[in-house]
Amino acid sequence: ETGVTQSPTHLIKTRGQQVTLRCSSQSGHNTVSWYQQALGQGPQFIFQYYREEENGRGNFPPRFSGLQFPNYSSELNVNALELDDSALYLCASSFSDRMGYETQYFGPGTRLLVL
Amino acid sequence: SQQGEEDPQALSIQEGENATMNCSYKTSINNLQWYRQNSGRGLVHLILIRSNEREKHSGRLRVTLDTSKKSSSLLITASRAADTASYFCAAFKAAGNKLTFGGGTRVLVKP
Repeated sequence: ETGVTQSPTHLIKTRGQQVTLRCSSQSGHNTVSWYQQALGQGPQFIFQYYREEENGRGNFPPRFSGLQFPNYSSELNVNALELDDSALYLCASSFSDRMGYETQYFGPGTRLLVL
Repeated sequence: SQQGEEDPQALSIQEGENATMNCSYKTSINNLQWYRQNSGRGLVHLILIRSNEREKHSGRLRVTLDTSKKSSSLLITASRAADTASYFCAAFKAAGNKLTFGGGTRVLVKP
């Protein structure tokens, strides 16, 4: 167990809807990264939050947005859901200092199905 | 796009045998990491090798890194049925603080 939790574990939405996924980081960590993992593929980096600011973003459209709260927990919001958004969404927490971070600890993921 | 590409995509071995998988990446990196994932669940960090290291061991795991060839390998010795999982390499680049995963190798260890 990594101490990183995600909710909900599973979710079913329809096209065009909006979804919010939540992540609680491991105690002592100040950085949260979000990944999308389609079936049979490796995780794709969505974005990272460090001290409540976005600190890097992958190749995802603006309808993917996020927040990090003062307790370092985080949300991933996806608007105008599309069928291709169906995936496992993983969050990972880490501790970053001015040298960056190295090891990330992953939560169990939220499996999203868009119909 | 994925920084790391893994080979083979799938591997089936008998318990007790060794499993070797390879990873190639495209740009310079600060370190390379290997993760395990069981049945579409969260990833578990296995081992990290820095760009100035060539080989690293952790229990039954041995990782090598060849920065001139931009490649890494993961060896699992004396495999067990519990090692059945997908294994991913991930290249870390400090610029952008970005961890980029490969497509993974699915390993099946038969009892």
